Amino acid sequence: ETGVTQSPTHLIKTRGQQVTLRCSSQSGHNTVSWYQQALGQGPQFIFQYYREEENGRGNFPPRFSGLQFPNYSSELNVNALELDDSALYLCASSVGHGVGNTIYFGEGSWLTVV
Amino acid sequence: AQRVTQPEKLLSVFKGAPVELKCNYSYSGSPELFWYVQYSRQRLQLLLRHISRESIKGFTADLNKGETSFHLKKPFAQEEDSAMYYCALRGGGADGLTFGKGTHLIIQP
Repeated sequence: ETGVTQSPTHLIKTRGQQVTLRCSSQSGHNTVSWYQQALGQGPQFIFQYYREEENGRGNFPPRFSGLQFPNYSSELNVNALELDDSALYLCASSVGHGVGNTIYFGEGSWLTVV
Repeated sequence: AQRVTQPEKLLSVFKGAPVELKCNYSYSGSPELFWYVQYSRQRLQLLLRHISRESIKGFTADLNKGETSFHLKKPFAQEEDSAMYYCALRGGGADGLTFGKGTHLIIQP
């Protein structure tokens, strides 16, 4: 059984550019969520996808968007990058999103905006 | 708004001593509470959750609704317990997890 995998592991972008981060969920998991973790902070919930539909969102602006594909893999897109977007982006997956389900995290993608 | 507070950024104890990592939360309903751990160079992983009422690696945590706390405890710390510990809350299924800022636990030999 493979775990949650993310790519790329590190990348550097310029302010104003756009970035796409990718995630393969753990086998059998139909729910994917994304988190932003700034240095010295806990992860912050960006949004969640269940069966290709966004069904939950944290306090992030619309320039943070996502997709979930039929195989349950997912993308996080960030437009008009700002310096404060520099962070570790974590993808997590689970079977459904009800009480009691376990959320598994990937190792993350480090984004640096210069 | 929901919030998780971990008052200690860093906690250092000697091997064999008891450990308590504090977590307080703010939520208007009945949340799910979790402890996640991140060992050096590893991914974030679930340590335990309040609904399971289990002991994992000697750690336990009891949900105290009156004090809105979910402190993590272990009677005898081991060096391999050194890690970052995050307390997290989930309100509804689609809410995602709300994390505290984490406590860096260092176990000294």
